[in-house]
Amino acid sequence: EDQVTQSPEALRLQEGESSSLNCSYTVSGLRGLFWYRQDPGKGPEFLFTLYSAGEEKEKERLKATLTKKESFLHITAPKPEDSATYLCAARPEGANNLFFGTGTRLTVIP
Amino acid sequence: GAVVSQHPSWVICKSGTSVKIECRSLDFQATTMFWYRQFPKQSLMLMATSNEGSKATYEQGVEKDKFLINHASLTLSTLTVTSAHPEDSSFYICSARDVISYEQYFGPGTRLTVT
Repeated sequence: EDQVTQSPEALRLQEGESSSLNCSYTVSGLRGLFWYRQDPGKGPEFLFTLYSAGEEKEKERLKATLTKKESFLHITAPKPEDSATYLCAARPEGANNLFFGTGTRLTVIP
Repeated sequence: GAVVSQHPSWVICKSGTSVKIECRSLDFQATTMFWYRQFPKQSLMLMATSNEGSKATYEQGVEKDKFLINHASLTLSTLTVTSAHPEDSSFYICSARDVISYEQYFGPGTRLTVT
């Protein structure tokens, strides 16, 4: 059964304290691992798509990496404006839709 | 960047009435659009997949006669909640997949409250 699990459920960081969010996936034939950011009361905002193990993508303070079983979203020197829920999703082979994890709620304290 | 809009952003309706929510891809074409529902502090739950020019595919447990989906063009899909009840109150989010890049972009969501 296709499944996506994110950890931790919630994370509180001091401003400048780097950390990583984890996304473990078990899908048949991964055709894309997606990261989104969601602010309260808003739709998810696209961040990255990763397609193959070893691939990395960066955007400002965020870097996403992918292995055969999991993906990490590294946050370097976070700022309070990085506070949001980060969602991970996987698209299995032959599937039209994405399977979402339950998200990691990140709070960055000034 | 790719933009998906939803209208309205919020709506309050009385029990028994119907509500239509529009989802538009503004700067790209989408043969496939998705409708999700999200409860507070929970992740997105896929309701249905909408394909341009054909019938939508509903997920298990989603009533197709209650949640009517129309995808009449490459940039517009609509979700109509018929005979709404208070338990239909939720945050509805649409998503559109770019036919060229295959990336999936989300709308800002519609907050539905049924009184």
